[in-house]
Amino acid sequence: QQQVKQSPQSLIVQKGGIPIINCAYENTAFDYFPWYQQFPGKGPALLIAIRPDVSEKKEGRFTISFNKSAKQFSLHIMDSQPGDSATYFCAASSRNTPLVFGKGTRLSVIA
Amino acid sequence: AAGVIQSPRHLIKEKRETATLKCYPIPRHDTVYWYQQGPGQDPQFLISFYEKMQSDKGSIPDRFSAQQFSDYHSELNMSSLELGDSALYFCASNLGESGADTQYFGPGTRLTVL
Repeated sequence: QQQVKQSPQSLIVQKGGIPIINCAYENTAFDYFPWYQQFPGKGPALLIAIRPDVSEKKEGRFTISFNKSAKQFSLHIMDSQPGDSATYFCAASSRNTPLVFGKGTRLSVIA
Repeated sequence: AAGVIQSPRHLIKEKRETATLKCYPIPRHDTVYWYQQGPGQDPQFLISFYEKMQSDKGSIPDRFSAQQFSDYHSELNMSSLELGDSALYFCASNLGESGADTQYFGPGTRLTVL
């Protein structure tokens, strides 16, 4: 059973658009929710992360929205660029435990 | 800044052979995690070590073993390789007991079993 459910599986947006990727989790013990960006053949790179004590976090063009009661969180990418084309993974963990990843979203930003 | 180092970056083996993957964590990081990522799949946790002791175990086959050494580097030993073991293997590190949850991933080792 997938502990972190991610959608959509793939996403195509125009340059300048705002792709939104959603994740949902079941385990209420999770208290750390990172997003990773991965290019083909490369390791996942941390983009941004949030903890349940805040509902939103913004770093540059990336924003996480977090809804603790719904057990959902999402990634918004503002002013998306072709260079943002990659696979994005949400993940969850509790203190110092292994990350549980979503299935990933393949984002394509077209000019 | 120094990152996680993995070697080799690419490895080709025959079925039933053995392989050893190495991971050098970010300096001063004491916790290492191993993940396996199949084509088009999400990373799956295999095993982790904190201060040279196994801390968590995931979906690691019995044919695989791992350890963390006194300098905190880790090695993943894989025996009786199967075609299905072909995947990207990532190592990640962090400071285990500091409360820093962020895991930093290495570039991975691409293992191909023929």
